[in-house]
Amino acid sequence: SAVISQKPSRDICQRGTSLTIQCQVDSQVTMMFWYRQQPGQSLTLIATANQGSEATYESGFVIDKFPISRPNLTFSTLTVSNMSPEDSSIYLCSTPTEQGTGELFFGEGSRLTVL
Amino acid sequence: AQSVTQPDIHITVSEGASLELRCNYSYGATPYLFWYVQSPGQGLQLLLKYFSGDTLVQGIKGFEAEFKRSQSSFNLRKPSVHWSDAAEYFCAVSIWGAQKLVFGQGTRLTINP
Repeated sequence: SAVISQKPSRDICQRGTSLTIQCQVDSQVTMMFWYRQQPGQSLTLIATANQGSEATYESGFVIDKFPISRPNLTFSTLTVSNMSPEDSSIYLCSTPTEQGTGELFFGEGSRLTVL
Repeated sequence: AQSVTQPDIHITVSEGASLELRCNYSYGATPYLFWYVQSPGQGLQLLLKYFSGDTLVQGIKGFEAEFKRSQSSFNLRKPSVHWSDAAEYFCAVSIWGAQKLVFGQGTRLTINP
């Protein structure tokens, strides 16, 4: 099983600022996923990050707001840009466990509060 | 499009009582089915999964789930809950090759002593 570490684990941010979340995996993985969990809500996929190519964003999410980097097979970052209180969420990084089944390993998440 | 419904937003049971959390999915074929648990301040941990074969699957922490094709359901059960089972439970589905999970709304489980 993969071990996924995220930084920061939590942060309090001011409106209008940007924050970058880091995700480190202890093994090489082809795909990494970024999810958002708004307070009291379920998980929504933001984007899929593949090494060597641009991230693929889900409907409702755009690169300008959530730029993603994937410099190598063990690391990815998600930036939440120009934050507003509506961006207060838990952001989770994940990687697939078995090809083609959708099963995922998750990091512990990064809890952001925007004031 | 795939969808997952967890009808119960919040369930409270007494410690030692049995538990059943409901999950219904909407998809034309048999998807891959998962139950994840999220304890307070933690990430998501896989409880169990169903890909094919025996429709009753066993998971960690004494949980089991039964896939019922006729009802498009994948309900999670535990015969006797412990206080440490208090958490948020998510049902999720994927389709072969999609590598994406679609999550239900989640059910928050509270345990009364």
